[in-house]
Amino acid sequence: AQRVTQPEKLLSVFKGAPVELKCNYSYSGSPELFWYVQYSRQRLQLLLRHISRESIKGFTADLNKGETSFHLKKPFAQEEDSAMYYCALLDNAGNMLTFGGGTRLMVKP
Amino acid sequence: NAGVTQTPKFQVLKTGQSMTLQCAQDMNHEYMSWYRQDPGMGLRLIHYSVGAGITDQGEVPNGYNVSRSTTEDFPLRLLSAAPSQTSVYFCASRILQRTPYNEQFFGPGTRLTVL
Repeated sequence: AQRVTQPEKLLSVFKGAPVELKCNYSYSGSPELFWYVQYSRQRLQLLLRHISRESIKGFTADLNKGETSFHLKKPFAQEEDSAMYYCALLDNAGNMLTFGGGTRLMVKP
Repeated sequence: NAGVTQTPKFQVLKTGQSMTLQCAQDMNHEYMSWYRQDPGMGLRLIHYSVGAGITDQGEVPNGYNVSRSTTEDFPLRLLSAAPSQTSVYFCASRILQRTPYNEQFFGPGTRLTVL
């Protein structure tokens, strides 16, 4: 069975500080990993995919298969980054997108 | 395009009542799914469908039924509501093929309270 773990329920940082939201997974196959974000009063939306190796809104995430991790990082947090962040894993069959428990990021001025 | 729409936005039920949460999408997506969101537990998959006439169970299917008669619609039925079903429900859709570029599109959610 696949599992996604986000160990921190709440992460509070000051504006300008670096941010790292942790995500660990367990899956026997070849995972496709994603980060989704939910801003206040908005619907859940895709932030980034591991395959793209892109930077979205200053966020990056690297898949580390040895450590089975997909941590989300940003060097300088902004107040508008305050939101709920979910790490998600898509199974080999493409039928099950499994989410972690989520981390609420609060960026204080 | 409206994307993924859900109705109602809010609902209060009494234990034992039944209701249907509606979900529709206008993106011609073959894959649709229902999640429930509970604090600290993230989103958990209830049921999913890979096309009209085809549905399957997710992680937490008990107490819920689904059907998929058209590509556009994927209603979720609670036959006999229980307080444990108090949650926020999200419908989502995407293309069927598994690719690393898959993006799942979510509806705005339905907040359900069962008394």
